[in-house]
Amino acid sequence: NAGVTQTPKFQVLKTGQSMTLQCAQDMNHEYMSWYRQDPGMGLRLIHYSVGAGITDQGEVPNGYNVSRSTTEDFPLRLLSAAPSQTSVYFCASSNRVAGELFFGEGSRLTVL
Amino acid sequence: AQKITQTQPGMFVQEKEAVTLDCTYDTSDQSYGLFWYKQPSSGEMIFLIYQGSYDEQNATEGRYSLNFQKARKSANLVISASQLGDSAMYFCAMRRGRDDKIIFGKGTRLHILP
Repeated sequence: NAGVTQTPKFQVLKTGQSMTLQCAQDMNHEYMSWYRQDPGMGLRLIHYSVGAGITDQGEVPNGYNVSRSTTEDFPLRLLSAAPSQTSVYFCASSNRVAGELFFGEGSRLTVL
Repeated sequence: AQKITQTQPGMFVQEKEAVTLDCTYDTSDQSYGLFWYKQPSSGEMIFLIYQGSYDEQNATEGRYSLNFQKARKSANLVISASQLGDSAMYFCAMRRGRDDKIIFGKGTRLHILP
């Protein structure tokens, strides 16, 4: 089972460039989310979705866009990258009933 | 408001001792869930244990148990008989019942000493 797949695993961008982090899950989970992890800050929620066509902002949404056109995919877009967006990004999914949140392997993004 | 607080940035514990990692939470929802995750130095997120707000008994999974005190809004993780492999970062998280929004605390770095 693939679980939650994130791509790319590593990316270096220049300030002002745009990019999309891809996230796909094959578990038919309704809930999907993006987090960023920075030293000393834990995991902070960027955006989340409880189903296709539904997205909502998390704790740190500025500078990021998401869409959820299918149950399986939840891409995260950086429209104009800034050095402050240098971080490790995790995608995660779960069903809406109580239980485990499944994580991707993480994507390390560096913005120069 | 939805908030998770982990007050211990780091802990050092002797191998084979029991460990308690603190977690307090704040929510106005009656329905919610609490998680603990482990993140070793390799970076992956490993699910440890889950407790629902309506669960009457504390959750247990092997050497892990969640000490759920609803009135105090605390959800401490207890690791019995610690092992060197338990050295890692540990995160407490909460799922809000009304919309499944899940947020995490800042984490506690646990060091197990031989």
